[in-house]
Amino acid sequence: IAGITQAPTSQILAAGRRMTLRCTQDMRHNAMYWYRQDLGLGLRLIHYSNTAGTTGKGEVPDGYSVSRANTDDFPLTLASAVPSQTSVYFCASSEGTGDYNEQFFGPGTRLTVL
Amino acid sequence: GQNIDQPTEMTATEGAIVQINCTYQTSGFNGLFWYQQHAGEAPTFLSYNVLDGLEEKGRFSSFLSRSKGYSYLLLKELQMKDSASYLCAVIGNDYKLSFGAGTTVTVRA
Repeated sequence: IAGITQAPTSQILAAGRRMTLRCTQDMRHNAMYWYRQDLGLGLRLIHYSNTAGTTGKGEVPDGYSVSRANTDDFPLTLASAVPSQTSVYFCASSEGTGDYNEQFFGPGTRLTVL
Repeated sequence: GQNIDQPTEMTATEGAIVQINCTYQTSGFNGLFWYQQHAGEAPTFLSYNVLDGLEEKGRFSSFLSRSKGYSYLLLKELQMKDSASYLCAVIGNDYKLSFGAGTTVTVRA
């Protein structure tokens, strides 16, 4: 049972390059989320998807895009990376979107933009 | 916006008790989660409170007072493996989790 997987584990990227972070879950969860975690700021929501085919903006969406073509996959794309996007990125999923919906987190991707 | 405050760091001795406080001011309230995150790892679920009172789960307990916008996580009989960050997160009217910055707990022998 894999749960949620993310790839790559870490990446060093030159500013201006395009990068896609991959996220796959095998729990058939409807909702998926992308967060970034920065020291002293905690986890901040970038984008989310309540169900396949739909996406929404979170707290810090600028510079990022997502797609949700199917239930399992939720890639996050940085169209033109900037140093301020250096962070640890976590993908998460939950069964639904109501009040009690425990989110399960992937192992994270550590991204450095130079 | 959402405002969730928790102490940055706490230190305690093995076998002791530590209480991590969390205060929140959010647009609506639909529940509060506590997550544990070991260094370099993903957050993992610890507890959920939506009604006032204490929820106990083994060595960990979580308390909620909605009228005061306050919760705490109580860790009893501390073990070295409890050294981690503890994240308080609130579900607001948008049904999205808003996280505090986390409290790093260091357990000393």
